[in-house]
Amino acid sequence: KNQVEQSPQSLIILEGKNCTLQCNYTVSPFSNLRWYKQDTGRGPVSLTIMTFSENTKSNGRYTATLDADTKQSSLHITASQLSDSASYICVVRASGYSTLTFGKGTMLLVSP
Amino acid sequence: NAGVTQTPKFQVLKTGQSMTLQCAQDMNHEYMSWYRQDPGMGLRLIHYSVGAGITDQGEVPNGYNVSRSTTEDFPLRLLSAAPSQTSVYFCASSPFGPASSYNEQFFGPGTRLTVL
Repeated sequence: KNQVEQSPQSLIILEGKNCTLQCNYTVSPFSNLRWYKQDTGRGPVSLTIMTFSENTKSNGRYTATLDADTKQSSLHITASQLSDSASYICVVRASGYSTLTFGKGTMLLVSP
Repeated sequence: NAGVTQTPKFQVLKTGQSMTLQCAQDMNHEYMSWYRQDPGMGLRLIHYSVGAGITDQGEVPNGYNVSRSTTEDFPLRLLSAAPSQTSVYFCASSPFGPASSYNEQFFGPGTRLTVL
């Protein structure tokens, strides 16, 4: 069964600090992995997409990594800001399939 | 562009009542979908549509109906509301279906539904 596990479930960090969120998946065969940011009371918004051939991709202060061999991805946030407080959701697509597998998300709180 | 819009933002129903959650997009996207989001669970697909006149069931379709008469609109109907349908509902659209390698879904702001 395709699964996406995210850790930690929740995280509190001080403003200005860095943090890393993890996503482990069992989706096979792998096609791509997307990270979404969901602000409280809003719909998810895509941050970045990782394909099989990509190891690292940055979007401003967000850097995603992918290790397709170990089936792990991480989202690193540098110099956190209060506006980074949100839920971060990992979504994986299997090649040849029309469905997506969603993780439960990591709730990040950036404290002043 | 307004993107994906959903109405209402909040709704309270009594068990057994019916209602329609509205979803519209102005990006001319072919693919639209409905998800529900419950605490401690990931987004779960209810129904989806690959174009006007074509709909299909997702992971949790029971108790919900959809139709797609136009590219822009994709309403979700609750036939007889039950407390188990208390959730936050998100509509999403994308230019291609999930089978596309570089598909990105654009989500609406959500409808928070409570069934008493």
